[in-house]
Amino acid sequence: AQSVTQPDIHITVSEGASLELRCNYSYGATPYLFWYVQSPGQGLQLLLKYFSGDTLVQGIKGFEAEFKRSQSSFNLRKPSVHWSDAAEYFCAVGNDYKLSFGAGTTVTVRA
Amino acid sequence: DAMVIQNPRYQVTQFGKPVTLSCSQTLNHNVMYWYQQKSSQAPKLLFHYYDKDFNNEADTPDNFQSRRPNTSFCFLDIRSPGLGDAAMYLCATSRESGVPQYFGPGTRLTVT
Repeated sequence: AQSVTQPDIHITVSEGASLELRCNYSYGATPYLFWYVQSPGQGLQLLLKYFSGDTLVQGIKGFEAEFKRSQSSFNLRKPSVHWSDAAEYFCAVGNDYKLSFGAGTTVTVRA
Repeated sequence: DAMVIQNPRYQVTQFGKPVTLSCSQTLNHNVMYWYQQKSSQAPKLLFHYYDKDFNNEADTPDNFQSRRPNTSFCFLDIRSPGLGDAAMYLCATSRESGVPQYFGPGTRLTVT
C-alpha cells in the first residue's frame, strides 16, 4: 500500500527566510511524487512532480524538491519565502489512477 | 486557458435533500476524479472515471454516485446528504494514469 507522511503539521517562517517541508513516502516501486499547494477555500495547484531522472526537480513559484530514494523522502524547499506562500502544502504519491495525499503542512508567513 | 471548472463554488442543501455537483474540463483528459476534503484534512478519493469506465473506491458510501455523460462533464450526486457530508468536493482530471492530476477550485457543500 502507498502512504505519505508529512511530519510537520504547521510551520511558521519569516518572510525572506528559507522554507523546507518534509515528506516521507511508502511505496513498493518507484513512485510518482507530487507537491500541491492549496490556498484557503481553493482547489489544489500542482507545484512540481517527480517521475524519473534528475532527482532535483524545479517547480513553479520558485519551489524545488529533491527525491532521495535511500530516505524515501521528497522534501520541498524554497530559498526565500514570500507572504503569498502562506497556504497548505500537500505531498502526494501516486501510480495508476490513485493519488495518496499526506495530511498536509500549513505554512504561516510572518512579516 | 484549458482548465477544470466546478459549479457551483458554494452549495447549501438540506439534510436528506439530493444534491448534484458539476465538473467540466477543457483539457480533453481521459480520467476524471472526485475527491472529498473535510476541514483540515487531506483530500480523499471517492471514485474516478477512465473514459466511461467507473471505478469506485471501496470505502465510498453508497450515498455517493457519479455520472459522466461525455468526456467534458462529470457529476457528483449525493442522494441523501447527511451533516457528515459537509465538505469541499474537488474534481480533478488527468490525461492518463501516472501523470499529474489537475484540480478544479472545488465546491464547498454545506448541509443544514
